[in-house]
Amino acid sequence: GEDVEQSLFLSVREGDSSVINCTYTDSSSTYLYWYKQEPGAGLQLLTYIFSNMDMKQDQRLTVLLNKKDKHLSLRIADTQTGDSAIYFCAESRPGQNFVFGPGTRLSVLP
Amino acid sequence: NAGVMQNPRHLVRRRGQEARLRCSPMKGHSHVYWYRQLPEEGLKFMVYLQKENIIDESGMPKERFSAEFPKEGPSILRIQQVVRGDSAAYFCASSRTGTDDSNQPQHFGDGTRLSIL
Repeated sequence: GEDVEQSLFLSVREGDSSVINCTYTDSSSTYLYWYKQEPGAGLQLLTYIFSNMDMKQDQRLTVLLNKKDKHLSLRIADTQTGDSAIYFCAESRPGQNFVFGPGTRLSVLP
Repeated sequence: NAGVMQNPRHLVRRRGQEARLRCSPMKGHSHVYWYRQLPEEGLKFMVYLQKENIIDESGMPKERFSAEFPKEGPSILRIQQVVRGDSAAYFCASSRTGTDDSNQPQHFGDGTRLSIL
């Protein structure tokens, strides 16, 4: 199958780290993406990683890729209330459309 | 440098009417994708277009739905004889090159929220 899976909800306290997980099924996926959707808005591209990389860091965001287990994670350091949103994982394969996960709703508690 | 522009942001239609949703891709992008998002759900691919061509419409219902991306002007997603189940947010995305180049991220508009009375 071509499902991308994510847990649906995550709650963290402000200042803590958030880790959002994603699993995918197609080992031929070449790029994996993280998007953020705030209420009433579209999807904002946060970061992406090429499948031959293990890790990518961009300020407070760290992406880890375990290609053997087809597992992708997004870590947000020092989570703030403005990080509350839905986070979508997506995979792309040459010649095929993006496949999105169902999204993880992150709630940041004061 | 404008992003992907969708209009209208909100559209209300009565059952049986037609809905027309517009999408202008980012400057320099010639590939457009339409997605549907139901409440509390993820995005479902509908159709992928390049200028004047439909590349993949495998996610679009065969009846009542159509899409176009003319040589000039925005891409249009058209829903005829709308029903309650068409109520959703419809998102458009664009990319510079197409799916053969998987390093091209898709950039999204803010969506059109369609409500059917």
